[in-house]
Amino acid sequence: AQSVTQLDSHVSVSEGTPVLLRCNYSSSYSPSLFWYVQHPNKGLQLLLKYTSAATLVKGINGFEAEFKKSETSFHLTKPSAHMSDAAEYFCVVSDQILTGGGNKLTFGTGTQLKVEL
Amino acid sequence: EAGVTQSPTHLIKTRGQQATLRCSPISGHTSVYWYQQALGLGLQFLLWYDEGEERNRGNFPPRFSGRQFPNYSSELNVNALELEDSALYLCASSLVAVEQYFGPGTRLTVT
Repeated sequence: AQSVTQLDSHVSVSEGTPVLLRCNYSSSYSPSLFWYVQHPNKGLQLLLKYTSAATLVKGINGFEAEFKKSETSFHLTKPSAHMSDAAEYFCVVSDQILTGGGNKLTFGTGTQLKVEL
Repeated sequence: EAGVTQSPTHLIKTRGQQATLRCSPISGHTSVYWYQQALGLGLQFLLWYDEGEERNRGNFPPRFSGRQFPNYSSELNVNALELEDSALYLCASSLVAVEQYFGPGTRLTVT
């Protein structure tokens, strides 16, 4: 069974400082991992994905994440936060093929990122 | 390229009524997934449609149902609405890759 733990429900940073959002996963197989962002009253936007290629994954808006199998982690980072980064971030794992071939996504509980001036 | 679209944006219904939510996938995508994002419960997988067929469903009662049309758009129906059905319903589309692309959601409020 697959699961995701986002270690912080809220993170607050100052604009221009680094961002670290932590995620640990549990998976029976070689997982695919994703980070999605959700701005208020909006849908989910894919930030980046790991699908067993390079362990350091670069995404949109300057975000990146590193897959560490030994630590079962997939933390999201950004060198310098911007006010527009304030949103909720979801770490997502997919290793379960649904009957019929689809992919089941399991979502973490989300981390609310606040960016202060 | 147009993204996933959903309608309506907001829907207000009374307990016991039926709600119909619609989703249009990205052009060329054949799979549509439905998720419920309820307060305090996170994002839960509801249903998966592919090539016009329901392929899998999450742990939801049968009053949650839907269909996929020949143009791959999809409809989610929720019958006998209950207060706890109030949530943001997200639709996602996918082709053969693992990632899913989400629409903006429909906010369903049951009073």
